[in-house]
Amino acid sequence: DGGITQSPKYLFRKEGQNVTLSCEQNLNHDAMYWYRQDPGQGLRLIYYSQIVNDFQKGDIAEGYSVSREKKESFPLTVTSAQKNPTAFYLCASRRGSGNTIYFGEGSWLTVV
Amino acid sequence: QKEVEQDPGPLSVPEGAIVSLNCTYSNSAFQYFMWYRQYSRKGPELLMYTYSSGNKEDGRFTAQVDKSSKYISLFIRDSQPSDSATYLCAMTPVRNQGGKLIFGQGTELSVKP
Repeated sequence: DGGITQSPKYLFRKEGQNVTLSCEQNLNHDAMYWYRQDPGQGLRLIYYSQIVNDFQKGDIAEGYSVSREKKESFPLTVTSAQKNPTAFYLCASRRGSGNTIYFGEGSWLTVV
Repeated sequence: QKEVEQDPGPLSVPEGAIVSLNCTYSNSAFQYFMWYRQYSRKGPELLMYTYSSGNKEDGRFTAQVDKSSKYISLFIRDSQPSDSATYLCAMTPVRNQGGKLIFGQGTELSVKP
């Protein structure tokens, strides 16, 4: 089936550790996105990439890093510099010049 | 002031009721409007997509855009318990660098049997 796969679904990490969230899509979409969702705050854009080997910061990029070495993959690293990393992380993708984006099932990160 | 404002609710209605979900926005450049539905602990799924002003109907769902008032609505007729979810509005201008969407905070809806 075509879609966006995020892993792991649930992740626990100790404070000060870096963690990488995986996002893979087989939709042949060009653009990919990472959003963070906190209760009552909607979705906030972390990073996005429109083509391979290129990406841009979103509204809350501090403490995060990404790479886009392959069209189908857009991993997100939550670094120890992120002050409040516990959240629900959503990966999304967009086809060509379309205006709608499609989401994966999300990853829950809890830092203790 | 946020670009997109959405009443977070929660909103609780009896089964069969008509539900009205709303968003207001401040950027007059917004031309594309979307509604996403998000079940608990799941990713959002696209529900409705409209361009500019007017209405669009899909089954029990109707999306309405009033650009003069900078106001969009999603109506759900004959609401069902399975409609219980968080509903997110999203929008973007015509010339959209990067294809980024601006989201509302989401409205949590509960439909009671």
